[in-house]
Amino acid sequence: DAKTTQPPSMDCAEGRAANLPCNHSTISGNEYVYWYRQIHSQGPQYIIHGLKNNETNEMASLIITEDRKSSTLILPHATLRDTAVYYCIVRVAVGGATNKLIFGTGTLLAVQP
Amino acid sequence: DAGVIQSPRHEVTEMGQEVTLRCKPISGHDYLFWYRQTMMRGLELLIYFNNNVPIDDSGMPEDRFSAKMPNASFSTLKIQPSEPRDSAVYFCASSGRGPQHFGDGTRLSIL
Repeated sequence: DAKTTQPPSMDCAEGRAANLPCNHSTISGNEYVYWYRQIHSQGPQYIIHGLKNNETNEMASLIITEDRKSSTLILPHATLRDTAVYYCIVRVAVGGATNKLIFGTGTLLAVQP
Repeated sequence: DAGVIQSPRHEVTEMGQEVTLRCKPISGHDYLFWYRQTMMRGLELLIYFNNNVPIDDSGMPEDRFSAKMPNASFSTLKIQPSEPRDSAVYFCASSGRGPQHFGDGTRLSIL
């Protein structure tokens, strides 16, 4: 599986967009980029995933560079409840289901009032 | 919709005792995963099942750990005998054709 690199921490002002970067320079053609987050004392929560096209859902947008070596998760209007550790994971989707998610250390996003 | 349900939420016991953690996956999901999270090692996969059959248990730390899935709606993770280094938060997750959904975990403390 491709390795991912994320900054250990970031700050964001409440109401502003939070842009969380992830490098995955060794990503293979059949590997997806997944984003999860973990709010303190809760289980990880799925946010979004993509292969090569940009994706958007009710939680966030995912921008993947054309060479697929990096991506950015965008929370358009961060709130205090978005304070969490955000994990970027690269994984082949096997039969439509993702197996063996390997979590790194992630980025601790602190949304400031 | 009910999510992944884990019990108990907290468990405190003395070393040497048997510990059983329980998980009810989301109905219709055919994959079930057990993870462990510690400060030192982060979030690591222990074992996962597909259609109630264990597929990969390479993350199970040692023979003191065992996991079963007797039916599609229930799984257990057992530690016997327990040791202080087993103290961690244990998460269960399930998935179907999409991403994994996690429970809120069991915080286990072995004294």
